[in-house]
Amino acid sequence: SQQGEEDPQALSIQEGENATMNCSYKTSINNLQWYRQNSGRGLVHLILIRSNEREKHSGRLRVTLDTSKKSSSLLITASRAADTASYFCATATGNQFYFGTGTSLTVIP
Amino acid sequence: ETGVTQTPRHLVMGMTNKKSLKCEQHLGHNAMYWYKQSAKKPLELMFVYNFKEQTENNSVPSRFSPECPNSSHLFLHLHTLQPEDSALYLCASSQVITGGNIQYFGAGTRLSVL
Repeated sequence: SQQGEEDPQALSIQEGENATMNCSYKTSINNLQWYRQNSGRGLVHLILIRSNEREKHSGRLRVTLDTSKKSSSLLITASRAADTASYFCATATGNQFYFGTGTSLTVIP
Repeated sequence: ETGVTQTPRHLVMGMTNKKSLKCEQHLGHNAMYWYKQSAKKPLELMFVYNFKEQTENNSVPSRFSPECPNSSHLFLHLHTLQPEDSALYLCASSQVITGGNIQYFGAGTRLSVL
């Protein structure tokens, strides 16, 4: 399977703390993307990192990519209750997208 | 509002029914996708359409039949479904470009097969 695997499956933190989620994948990729999903809704794109990039920032988000280890991490700094959601990594190869099972993040006010 | 609209939002159907899910994108994208999301499973890509042509069919049972009449509309026709087909069905669109292909998702149709 080429699907990404997120780790941990669930994460619960206090508001203001940082949240780190990891993603591992199995094949070569063009890019890796992170998405967020609120309960019962569609996914929303957060950030894309290309295979030749190692780190990318967007607001409170920081993404790293290590193609030698086939892994990525998503760091959310200074978390807020509104960050409570599921987070998915997706790897893209051609027309194919592979999503993992996601990390369920709960931020406690 | 993501620019991708799915209807209906909820659907309950019996195993002998025929129904259709509709997706419309207002973003001018050239590719559209159907995904299935079941509890505790990864999001599964079902079908891909580029410029109205189906380019991927990931071993989806024939009881699911996609239709893409133009680059803005995508349908998923359902017939003789099984209870295990109950899931959230998500539509997405993207503008396919070199080095990047960000997906914009609709809110999904929650399907229950009785």
